[in-house]
Amino acid sequence: NAGVTQTPKFQVLKTGQSMTLQCAQDMNHEYMSWYRQDPGMGLRLIHYSVGAGITDQGEVPNGYNVSRSTTEDFPLRLLSAAPSQTSVYFCASSYSLVGDGELFFGEGSRLTVL
Amino acid sequence: AQSVTQLGSHVSVSEGALVLLRCNYSSSVPPYLFWYVQYPNQGLQLLLKYTSAATLVKGINGFEAEFKKSETSFHLTKPSAHMSDAAEYFCAVKGPPRNSGYALNFGKGTSLLVTP
Repeated sequence: NAGVTQTPKFQVLKTGQSMTLQCAQDMNHEYMSWYRQDPGMGLRLIHYSVGAGITDQGEVPNGYNVSRSTTEDFPLRLLSAAPSQTSVYFCASSYSLVGDGELFFGEGSRLTVL
Repeated sequence: AQSVTQLGSHVSVSEGALVLLRCNYSSSVPPYLFWYVQYPNQGLQLLLKYTSAATLVKGINGFEAEFKKSETSFHLTKPSAHMSDAAEYFCAVKGPPRNSGYALNFGKGTSLLVTP
């Protein structure tokens, strides 16, 4: 079972460059989300989606865009990378929009912005 | 919004000793609570979750957690630590949809070190 797949696993960018982190899940989950993980900060929600065509902002959305054209895919775009966006990014999905549905995580994408 | 506080960013135990990782939640209504584990260079994996069916919740790898409403706590325990338990542990809470919708709100994590 593939679960949640993120690509790339590692990426180095220069300030001002753009890139897209890819996320795909094969569990037919309606809910998908992106978190960033920084030392001592835990995980912070960037954007989330409750279904194809529906996205919304989380706690730290600035500098990131998302779209959800299919149930399976939820890419995260950095339009103009900044050193403050150096982080580990996790995509996660869930079968349940409410209640006790847990998140299933990808293995992460480590991004360094120089 | 619902939130959790994890007490202690680093915890060190000897192999075979009791593991206790502390988590307190803030919620005006009964929450859904989760514990996740993250091994080095990996994603997060669910250890266990509280869904109000039982206050003592058993998870994978011998971990369990007890929901105590009076103390607003959901501490994670394991009777005997193993070297393979060394990892980062995250407590998380989800309540009724608020500004962040259906997201889990995570604590800042506790790094568990197990010494021989």
